[in-house]
Amino acid sequence: SQTIHQWPATLVQPVGSPLSLECTVEGTSNPNLYWYRQAAGRGLQLLFYSVGIGQISSEVPQNLSASRPQDRQFILSSKKLLLSDSGFYLCAWSVHGGRRSPLHFGNGTRLTVT
Amino acid sequence: GENVEQHPSTLSVQEGDSAVIKCTYSDSASNYFPWYKQELGKRPQLIIDIRSNVGEKKDQRIAVTLNKTAKHFSLHITETQPEDSAVYFCAAIPWPGGADGLTFGKGTHLIIQP
Repeated sequence: SQTIHQWPATLVQPVGSPLSLECTVEGTSNPNLYWYRQAAGRGLQLLFYSVGIGQISSEVPQNLSASRPQDRQFILSSKKLLLSDSGFYLCAWSVHGGRRSPLHFGNGTRLTVT
Repeated sequence: GENVEQHPSTLSVQEGDSAVIKCTYSDSASNYFPWYKQELGKRPQLIIDIRSNVGEKKDQRIAVTLNKTAKHFSLHITETQPEDSAVYFCAAIPWPGGADGLTFGKGTHLIIQP
């Protein structure tokens, strides 16, 4: 069966510091991968998605970036965090080419920028 | 692109009563409609989905209905229980379905009153 791992679970970082969140998927090949952000009490905002190694599409211009160095690894990064980057970050995967495929979410990372 | 509207934003019902959450979508080509449940501090989890060739689907106390003509779909929860308290998200994906995944509604906070 497929599993998705996301870490760390919680993170407190000062403004201006770098960020690296990692996500890996097991049990499937060539998945579509996604990063979402959820502000407190708000909806799900798509940040990035990837259909393959090295292929990243950005939905929202910001100081965040994403990379996919391996088929089942997705990384969210920032060089300098802003207060507004605080939120709940969720990695997700879906079946590649699965046009009626649901998203499967990781457990999320709660980021607090101080 | 697709736009999904979800109502109400907050719904409070007495334990044992039914709850209905409604969503509308804009893209008539959308053909897959999942519903996610997110408990406080946890990841969204798929609870039920429906495809455009089906008008209704049931899974125990949960049902989803789809009206393609009116472009709306609804989640019905009967005999509500305290563990049903959560935020519920509807979503849609259009045909042919981009890799950018699902378009989510803004969520409904369901509160089950004892």
